[in-house]
Amino acid sequence: QKEVEQDPGPLSVPEGAIVSLNCTYSNSAFQYFMWYRQYSRKGPELLMYTYSSGNKEDGRFTAQVDKSSKYISLFIRDSQPSDSATYLCAMKYAGNMLTFGGGTRLMVKP
Amino acid sequence: DGGITQSPKYLFRKEGQNVTLSCEQNLNHDAMYWYRQDPGQGLRLIYYSQIVNDFQKGDIAEGYSVSREKKESFPLTVTSAQKNPTAFYLCASSMKASTNEKLFFGSGTQLSVL
Repeated sequence: QKEVEQDPGPLSVPEGAIVSLNCTYSNSAFQYFMWYRQYSRKGPELLMYTYSSGNKEDGRFTAQVDKSSKYISLFIRDSQPSDSATYLCAMKYAGNMLTFGGGTRLMVKP
Repeated sequence: DGGITQSPKYLFRKEGQNVTLSCEQNLNHDAMYWYRQDPGQGLRLIYYSQIVNDFQKGDIAEGYSVSREKKESFPLTVTSAQKNPTAFYLCASSMKASTNEKLFFGSGTQLSVL
């Protein structure tokens, strides 16, 4: 079993929809949670960074962490075709390297 | 503009050949990393370096080698011992390999075997 699980998709939604992307993990030591967006054949770029449980909002993006369920989510409101990309979750604990999920491919259709 | 530059964008390797992927950063970051990305899989850490002239193996270091002679540069050599080298290689850097690190990535190099 992988430490971090992520549905590969693809997830196809119409423009304007609310998108929910999720990751589950098995290591309860993880404390820092990140979401990266990766366009095709490009390097990932950091979207959201959260520490411990709770919600964090940045524009149309909301990151949610539920440590009790070992579950994190990224919500995208009013999705746009430019949001079409692969979204990678990543997490770590102090003194360790990042562990990445496999990524979910999102397609937002006009 | 500050950033991470990887070259070449595409690289082809023949059987038994060693190839070197370049990574340069002008962000003045202490830590640099090499990741391998295969379709449908997460990024896997090959090597990382927290300081000049020092580096550590990641999860999949076999068949790869690195050097860190300058703060700005962290080249990766894919040796002939790496039997399945076809993948997308990503270089990253961070201020330091500390608790609160945020990774910044280059645009990647696609390596294929001829």
